[in-house]
Amino acid sequence: QVQLVESGGGLVKPGGSLRLSCAASGFTFSDYYMSWIRQTSGKGLEWVSHISNSGSTIYYADPVKGRFTISRDNAKNSLYLEMNSLRAEDTAVYYCARALSGLYYFHYWGQGTLVTVSS
Amino acid sequence: DIQMTQSPSSVSASVGDRVTITCRASQGISSWLAWYQQKPGKAPKLLIYGASNLQSGVPSRFSGSGSGTDFTLTISSLQPEDFAAYYCQQASRFPPTFGGGTKVEIK
Repeated sequence: QVQLVESGGGLVKPGGSLRLSCAASGFTFSDYYMSWIRQTSGKGLEWVSHISNSGSTIYYADPVKGRFTISRDNAKNSLYLEMNSLRAEDTAVYYCARALSGLYYFHYWGQGTLVTVSS
Repeated sequence: DIQMTQSPSSVSASVGDRVTITCRASQGISSWLAWYQQKPGKAPKLLIYGASNLQSGVPSRFSGSGSGTDFTLTISSLQPEDFAAYYCQQASRFPPTFGGGTKVEIK
């Protein structure tokens, strides 16, 4: 069965960095678009970044552009999100999500990892 | 960015009730719309995509309709396991955006 398991969240000071990972199993990882989506109690669900199955196409939400970097390693069935210059407003639960084949609907989600940015 | 507006923000209903949630896009998105269900402490679950296509395994009491800017999610007969938050999401253009959510609560 499809599984997505995020890791790497935690408490970090403003201006700090964190790297999230998402380990995928149960499907051919290299066939699917992947995204990071975050959720806060205040702003709800917010798409953060997308990467195509080959990694050749990448998009970012404006609030994270220039600070976050998405990447994937198809050989390791893993998705990553490098987060730099973190701000209080980046505090959220971060989910990795697999797209419905070729489309921008989010079919499978991980359990989420909490990132807290606070001094 | 395309803004997605859901209403109501919460609804109180009883088991067996018919519940309707609406979602409006700030510009036309054809049928590029999905609905998700989220229970406390869990990740969202895809219920419907393409405005009206039921995802495999989702009970038939869930249905979606609409196109352009106005969409509806209907639960024909509310079951105890349906008490949750529901979100719409547009997939017409980047960035994908979500509605603010509708919480379905027990009356």
